[in-house]
Amino acid sequence: EAGVAQSPRYKIIEKRQSVAFWCNPISGHATLYWYQQILGQGPKLLIQFQNNGVVDDSQLPKDRFSAERLKGVDSTLKIQPAKLEDSAVYLCASRPGLAGRVNTGELFFGEGSRLTVL
Amino acid sequence: AQKITQTQPGMFVQEKEAVTLDCTYDTSDQSYGLFWYKQPSSGEMIFLIYQGSYDEQNATEGRYSLNFQKARKSANLVISASQLGDSAMYFCAMSNQAGTALIFGKGTTLSVSS
Repeated sequence: EAGVAQSPRYKIIEKRQSVAFWCNPISGHATLYWYQQILGQGPKLLIQFQNNGVVDDSQLPKDRFSAERLKGVDSTLKIQPAKLEDSAVYLCASRPGLAGRVNTGELFFGEGSRLTVL
Repeated sequence: AQKITQTQPGMFVQEKEAVTLDCTYDTSDQSYGLFWYKQPSSGEMIFLIYQGSYDEQNATEGRYSLNFQKARKSANLVISASQLGDSAMYFCAMSNQAGTALIFGKGTTLSVSS
C-alpha cells in the first residue's frame, strides 16, 4: 500500500514570495491533516479536512496561508506571501474512516516538505 | 486546553540498555488517547504505541511499552534493549478536545551508541 506522498521535499524561497505544497493521502483515507513543524518543536496542526470539507482551521494564519482539498483526495497548502518565520517542515497526514475519535493512532504521515524562507 | 510536556531535550543510552522518555499531559477530558511517535532524520513520523485513558493495562508493542500513570498524568515511553536504529526524535502526543486530531509535545532526541 502506497504511503502519504508529499512534494516538493525541499523548497527555498525569499520572503514575500509564494509557495505551494501538495499532498496525496493514502487511498481511501477520508481525513487529511496539515501540520507545521518548526525546528526543535513538535508538529502543530494547521488544518484538518474531512473529505473535501474543513473540520478545523483555527490555527491556520489565514492572512497568508490557504489550503484546499478539492474532490476530497489530494490537497494543496499555499503560503503567500511567505515570512521568515514560515521556515519549517510541513507534514501531511491522513487517516481512514469518517468523523470520529482518534483512538488507535491511525494517523499516517508523509515525509514532509521542508521550507526555507530567506 | 490540552497540553503535552516533554522535559528531556536529549537522552543518551548505550546499545542493549533500556531507556525511559518522559511525558506529562494536561487535560480536563475523561476520555483521551496518548501516543508516541518516532521521527528519524528522514522526517517521517512513525507511530509506535497507543494508550487509551480507560485502558487499565499499560500498552506494549514489541520493545516499546507505555508506563501510564493516570493520577500523575504521565505517559512515559520505555524502550527495552536499545538498538542503534532507535536514534531519532520521539514525540509524545494526545488526542485534542474534539478527539479528531493529535497535539504533540516538543520531542526528545534519543542517541544510541555502541
